[in-house]
Amino acid sequence: GAGVSQTPSNKVTEKGKYVELRCDPISGHTALYWYRQSLGQGPEFLIYFQGTGAADDSGLPNDRFFAVRPEGSVSTLKIQRTERGDSAVYLCASSFYLAGSNEQFFGPGTRLTVL
Amino acid sequence: LAKTTQPISMDSYEGQEVNITCSHNNIATNDYITWYQQFPSQGPRFIIQGYKTKVTNEVASLFIPADRKSSTLSLPRVSLSDTAVYYCLVGDAFGAGNMLTFGGGTRLMVKP
Repeated sequence: GAGVSQTPSNKVTEKGKYVELRCDPISGHTALYWYRQSLGQGPEFLIYFQGTGAADDSGLPNDRFFAVRPEGSVSTLKIQRTERGDSAVYLCASSFYLAGSNEQFFGPGTRLTVL
Repeated sequence: LAKTTQPISMDSYEGQEVNITCSHNNIATNDYITWYQQFPSQGPRFIIQGYKTKVTNEVASLFIPADRKSSTLSLPRVSLSDTAVYYCLVGDAFGAGNMLTFGGGTRLMVKP
């Protein structure tokens, strides 16, 4: 079946602009996660949704970052007033939450470049 | 939140068994140990997860000693396609936020 998809695959923007990154999780997966990954580093957790609600947004770096998942499926990560330091690969993952397990399925990521 | 320590890099040759050890000295009672693999320009891929003793699946084994302060991912007979970064994660599978801290990972290079 289809895996996690993310669009766009690449996004180039200018400092100060607004961007939206989209994630389509695997159908039926209740949990959805956003990470960002800088070159040479491991993924950094941003936010986690269980259904429509953000169960944990402790990883969002500041109030320029916001994510929604209005119908419990597709999610959008929104970044306002982008800065050059926001340049990274933004990864989305989904899972069917089971007690004692946390196998996440990752998408290919969106490479964001802020000029 | 349990911190993990892994070797930064490892080299191996095709056909050899590779063991990557992760230290997690302050692992909590509810914490599970999970390993992911990541190829360049791809998202991480789940390999294996365990709580104690030994877990084996079709691609790897995970060895966890009784004190659970470390774990070892074992890849049997590696091939060139196993060249990737391997991440060890430790956290409470019931509390998603705790489960989601990736460290720097171990870069495995498999040579012919």
